[in-house]
Amino acid sequence: GDSVTQMEGPVTLSEEAFLTINCTYTATGYPSLFWYVQYPGEGLQLLLKATKADDKGSNKGFEATYRKETTSFHLEKGSVQVSDSAVYFCALKDQGAQKLVFGQGTRLTINP
Amino acid sequence: DAGVIQSPRHEVTEMGQEVTLRCKPISGHNSLFWYRQTMMRGLELLIYFNNNVPIDDSGMPEDRFSAKMPNASFSTLKIQPSEPRDSAVYFCASAPLAGGLPYVEQYFGPGTRLTVT
Repeated sequence: GDSVTQMEGPVTLSEEAFLTINCTYTATGYPSLFWYVQYPGEGLQLLLKATKADDKGSNKGFEATYRKETTSFHLEKGSVQVSDSAVYFCALKDQGAQKLVFGQGTRLTINP
Repeated sequence: DAGVIQSPRHEVTEMGQEVTLRCKPISGHNSLFWYRQTMMRGLELLIYFNNNVPIDDSGMPEDRFSAKMPNASFSTLKIQPSEPRDSAVYFCASAPLAGGLPYVEQYFGPGTRLTVT
């Protein structure tokens, strides 16, 4: 079945550091890919998405590119802030399906 | 828009008691999802509805769990009897169905933190 594998956390960085959180997926069809973010005490929010190969999703300085050849959707940000501290979830949704398949989440802590 | 509304935000109950969690989806959204989040198992889909009809309940852990959606603006997740291992954060999410085609984005509520002692 479909699955998502994320880089294990927790990840701790200093402010202004470069961030990469790896995400790879297994899917039978042509899925849409997502990054969701969960701030402390809150529900998940969509951070960015890409619906087809080579699409780049971007939001709030974060980017991720849908790489079909490597089945990856790595999350990057050039300069992180303390306010980026949260749990990040990679997810996929198969074409025509309704279920989201989530990775296990990566906890990110940014120190000032 | 108010977003997805869940109540209560926190619930503490004793083992064996009945627990009812409530969700109001975003107006106009006709798909609704219930998730459970724990440290050990991560985020699990329990059940989802389209147009108030349960479509897939394969994630419901056992018969102690039941979910209903009596109308487009309200859903409940009930646990009877509750057990300590049910302690988790329960999320509700909603999404629009456009012309019968699946959505792209789900919108999550703030969650209900359930503690069963």
